[in-house]
Amino acid sequence: GAVVSQHPSWVICKSGTSVKIECRSLDFQATTMFWYRQFPKQSLMLMATSNEGSKATYEQGVEKDKFLINHASLTLSTLTVTSAHPEDSSFYICSAPRLGGAYNEQFFGPGTRLTVL
Amino acid sequence: GIQVEQSPPDLILQEGANSTLRCNFSDSVNNLQWFHQNPWGQLINLFYIPSGTKQNGRLSATTVATERYSLLYISSSQTTDSGVYFCAVDYKLSFGAGTTVTVRA
Repeated sequence: GAVVSQHPSWVICKSGTSVKIECRSLDFQATTMFWYRQFPKQSLMLMATSNEGSKATYEQGVEKDKFLINHASLTLSTLTVTSAHPEDSSFYICSAPRLGGAYNEQFFGPGTRLTVL
Repeated sequence: GIQVEQSPPDLILQEGANSTLRCNFSDSVNNLQWFHQNPWGQLINLFYIPSGTKQNGRLSATTVATERYSLLYISSSQTTDSGVYFCAVDYKLSFGAGTTVTVRA
């Protein structure tokens, strides 16, 4: 299967600071990547779609000014949580689809656990 | 958006038992995947199965797209099968709530 990495694996920060999370597709190119958030004991919720060379699209209810997304290359997307607050503490996971005609299986990174104090 | 329902929400198995997990979805889809989330949070791809039947070792899956459901079969369960199993559909994956499987030795 395809490999997607995330960095960092976990981060603890003070309220009001910004945190950047990187998502990389290691063995394939991804013009699109997705960012999800998962709260404890809950399912994954799509936050935004990251598009290489254009603006990200955000799901309803997700603040685009708070969650900045940059798709810098065909293998890298970054999510920056700006002015983080304790309610932003969550597990953030990225995914990338490996495309091939009608085949578009998605592969997930290992996730980043964010704790805001 | 598409609604995805998984059942049962929780499943407790004795090692060696077989089980079936179900995923119902509210509209036609061109993508359906099953995942296993391990205790560290990593989502492991089990099947990409928008239709038909696939098998991989002790796991198999069937999707009946016309009836909008998919089934995941676990045979001869092992303690390492414990975790949360998710079904997700469509290109921008919509996830079900998951089935938490606990396999006891």
